[in-house]
Amino acid sequence: QKEVEQNSGPLSVPEGAIASLNCTYSDRGSQSFFWYRQYSGKSPELIMFIYSNGDKEDGRFTAQLNKASQYVSLLIRDSQPSDSATYLCAVNKGPGYGGSQGNLIFGKGTKLSVKP
Amino acid sequence: SQTIHQWPATLVQPVGSPLSLECTVEGTSNPNLYWYRQAAGRGLQLLFYSVGIGQISSEVPQNLSASRPQDRQFILSSKKLLLSDSGFYLCAWTRVAYYGYTFGSGTRLTVV
Repeated sequence: QKEVEQNSGPLSVPEGAIASLNCTYSDRGSQSFFWYRQYSGKSPELIMFIYSNGDKEDGRFTAQLNKASQYVSLLIRDSQPSDSATYLCAVNKGPGYGGSQGNLIFGKGTKLSVKP
Repeated sequence: SQTIHQWPATLVQPVGSPLSLECTVEGTSNPNLYWYRQAAGRGLQLLFYSVGIGQISSEVPQNLSASRPQDRQFILSSKKLLLSDSGFYLCAWTRVAYYGYTFGSGTRLTVV
């Protein structure tokens, strides 16, 4: 089982719709969870960080974490063509997993396409 | 505020040539530093990380090496490039990994 799994997509949604991106992780002791957005040819940009069960909202973005199901998701409301990018899920397993603070483990990303 | 600089942005190198990519961070001290590679259509592969000057940990055996000669400087090197070294190289930093990383703008390396 891969440590962080994402559907590679592409996920295609019409402009104005809700885009739902999903991620599962294998280590139940993982401590913090991230969503990065990566435009084609550019470096990843951190857009959401969540560490406790439930929802965290930031503008049009909502991150959802369910530690019991080892599942984290990202909802993008009112999707815009500018949201078209690859979204990377990342997990910090905590101290001891690479360095004193732990390293981030990345999924391979889900490509999102928002059609006008 | 903190900023991370990475250069060059693009690089085309012949097989067998040496490589040196540099990354520097401003506005912080004692950062954790990371080198990742992203091959075409593949995920982020952690190559090296460093928690302090002269402290380098390698995640995968390969044709590359890393050094940290100063607190906020991280260098990725190779003595002889292979075709398989082509990819998008990303430097990242954090003070506290729990809160995530910030990536540099990346170097696109093509070995020909």
